[in-house]
Amino acid sequence: DAGVIQSPRHEVTEMGQEVTLRCKPISGHNSLFWYRQTMMRGLELLIYFNNNVPIDDSGMPEDRFSAKMPNASFSTLKIQPSEPRDSAVYFCASSVGQHGNIQYFGAGTRLSVL
Amino acid sequence: DAKTTQPTSMDCAEGRAANLPCNHSTISGNEYVYWYRQIHSQGPQYIIHGLKNNETNEMASLIITEDRKSSTLILPHATLRDTAVYYCIVSHTGTASKLTFGTGTRLQVTL
Repeated sequence: DAGVIQSPRHEVTEMGQEVTLRCKPISGHNSLFWYRQTMMRGLELLIYFNNNVPIDDSGMPEDRFSAKMPNASFSTLKIQPSEPRDSAVYFCASSVGQHGNIQYFGAGTRLSVL
Repeated sequence: DAKTTQPTSMDCAEGRAANLPCNHSTISGNEYVYWYRQIHSQGPQYIIHGLKNNETNEMASLIITEDRKSSTLILPHATLRDTAVYYCIVSHTGTASKLTFGTGTRLQVTL
C-alpha cells in the first residue's frame, strides 16, 4: 500500500487566497484525521472523520477553515481566506476500526502564507 | 485523557539501549499508553501501545509499571535513524478518538 498520500507537499500563497489541501487515506481505513504542526503550538488535531462523517471539529481554529470527506478515499482541508498565521505543516492520518488510535500519517503539506 | 510528562531531551550512543520514560499518574483503568515518534520533516509514526502488560514488537518494547503510573519505551539497539522526537500519549482504545501530542522527548543518537 502506498500509505496516506497528501498533496501538494509544499504550498506558497499570498494572504487572502484560498488554499486547498488534499488527502487520500489508506484503502480500507474508515477514520481520517487532520492535524496542524507549528513550532509554537506543536501537533494539534483539527478535525477527524469516522466513516466519512465529521466526529469532532473542535480543533478547527475558526470559520476560515473547513474540511470535507465526500467519499472514503478523499478528503480536503480548505482555508479561505488564508492568513500568515496559518503557515504550518498540515498532516493527514488514517486508521481503521477498533485500532482507531493506531494512526498512519502522511508526509504532510508545508504551507507558507506570505 | 490523562496528561503525560516526558523529559525534554535525551542522548544515547549508537548500539546501546535507549530507555525513554513517561509519567502518566492520572491514567484511568481503561486508558492505554501509546508511543509515536517523529523523525525530522516526516509525519509521526506509530511505535507500540499497551494497557498493563509489557509489550514488544519489531520496533521496541514497552514496560508499564504495575500501578500504571509510568512507562518506559525501550529501543534495544539504537541507531542513528532512531534520532527523533518520541511522544507518549494516553488514550482510550477502540474506534478513533483524539490523540493529544505533547512536546515529547527529543532523542539524539550519537556515534
